[in-house]
Amino acid sequence: KNEVEQSPQNLTAQEGEFITINCSYSVGISALHWLQQHPGGGIVSLFMLSSGKKKHGRLIATINIQEKHSSLHITASHPRDSAVYICAVGRGSQGNLIFGKGTKLSVKP
Amino acid sequence: EPEVTQTPSHQVTQMGQEVILRCVPISNHLYFYWYRQILGQKVEFLVSFYNNEISEKSEIFDDQFSVERPDGSNFTLKIRSTKLEDSAMYFCASSKDRGRNFGPGTRLTVL
Repeated sequence: KNEVEQSPQNLTAQEGEFITINCSYSVGISALHWLQQHPGGGIVSLFMLSSGKKKHGRLIATINIQEKHSSLHITASHPRDSAVYICAVGRGSQGNLIFGKGTKLSVKP
Repeated sequence: EPEVTQTPSHQVTQMGQEVILRCVPISNHLYFYWYRQILGQKVEFLVSFYNNEISEKSEIFDDQFSVERPDGSNFTLKIRSTKLEDSAMYFCASSKDRGRNFGPGTRLTVL
């Protein structure tokens, strides 16, 4: 069983829609990361959180430590949001990251 | 805004050859990492490096792999004798806390 599970695997949305991507994990963590990987392959860090909620522009990330679950929300989605969104969990103070398989998001104009 | 850089962007090599992938982390960062992503698969942790030594490594990081910080700016990953299955995208990352700044990656193709 994967230690980090993401859903859905693929998501197609119309421009303007509200999007939610979910991440569940089965191990104890020190922090959870949301990453964005563009078609060219580069990885950008969106959020790192260990509790509560963070917001940056149209992106919101939440985490429920008790339920071992996190969500990434995108409000007013745009075609430029099309990318793979990856959840990764960190263990220990500077331990390795365990990655989910990613959610491929396609936003249609 | 400072960025992690990696060279080369694409490396093609013959099986059995040695390759060195290079990274320049962000200058005030203290923690350095290598990850790899085989085409179509998830990103995997290889190794973390702090205070001039390996702090953690995965099962993937066997004796064929080594890392080095030869000077104050570069961080390298060496694969001694490449195998076909080493073909992947290799990402360097650096951090000064629990965050991560990723480089653009080096695509390694082993023929």
